[in-house]
Amino acid sequence: DTGVSQDPRHKITKRGQNVTFRCDPISEHNRLYWYRQTLGQGPEFLTYFQNEAQLEKSRLLSDRFSAERPKGSFSTLEIQRTEQGDSAMYLCASSTRGGRGRLSSGNTIYFGEGSWLTVV
Amino acid sequence: GENVEQHPSTLSVQEGDSAVIKCTYSDSASNYFPWYKQELGKGPQLIIDIRSNVGEKKDQRIAVTLNKTAKHFSLHITETQPEDSAVYFCAASSTTGNQFYFGTGTSLTVIP
Repeated sequence: DTGVSQDPRHKITKRGQNVTFRCDPISEHNRLYWYRQTLGQGPEFLTYFQNEAQLEKSRLLSDRFSAERPKGSFSTLEIQRTEQGDSAMYLCASSTRGGRGRLSSGNTIYFGEGSWLTVV
Repeated sequence: GENVEQHPSTLSVQEGDSAVIKCTYSDSASNYFPWYKQELGKGPQLIIDIRSNVGEKKDQRIAVTLNKTAKHFSLHITETQPEDSAVYFCAASSTTGNQFYFGTGTSLTVIP
């Protein structure tokens, strides 16, 4: 158990509907990541937060996707107007990031169990 | 950006034999290389990692080696057991980067 919690674990939705996933990171971790994984592939980076600030977004994150981390703790990933191509596992991960000059042991990221999305 | 390639895509070994999975990376700035094990329906679990200031790291039956000059790193599992069966992913990152780049995975089957 890595301590990263995701909800729901499974979601089946009709095309065109909106879905929202929630991630609760390990409590002392200030970085939070969202990845997407399809069958037979490795995780692909979507976006990450340093505390409440969203610092980087992948081009995979289309306008229909939005992620928030309002208080620097939990995060939500919303997909609007879902398409069949959105079917995947959405993984959340967290890590710590040391300050300047510190050895970045905080590079280690820990994943949650993922949220499976099926769009029918 | 970084490109991580992983081989083989599938690997079957007899219980007790060793398994080796290899990865190459393209960005010389990458200096942190974790390995993850993913079981069916679950998220990836970190099993071992290595930083560029060392060439090898061991943890019981698992070891990882790194050749920075050649830009490749490998996972070695000795005395394999059926519970080692899973998909293994390598990844690369840098201390200044904010992303982890993953390989495409190796499905390991340990035959009892």
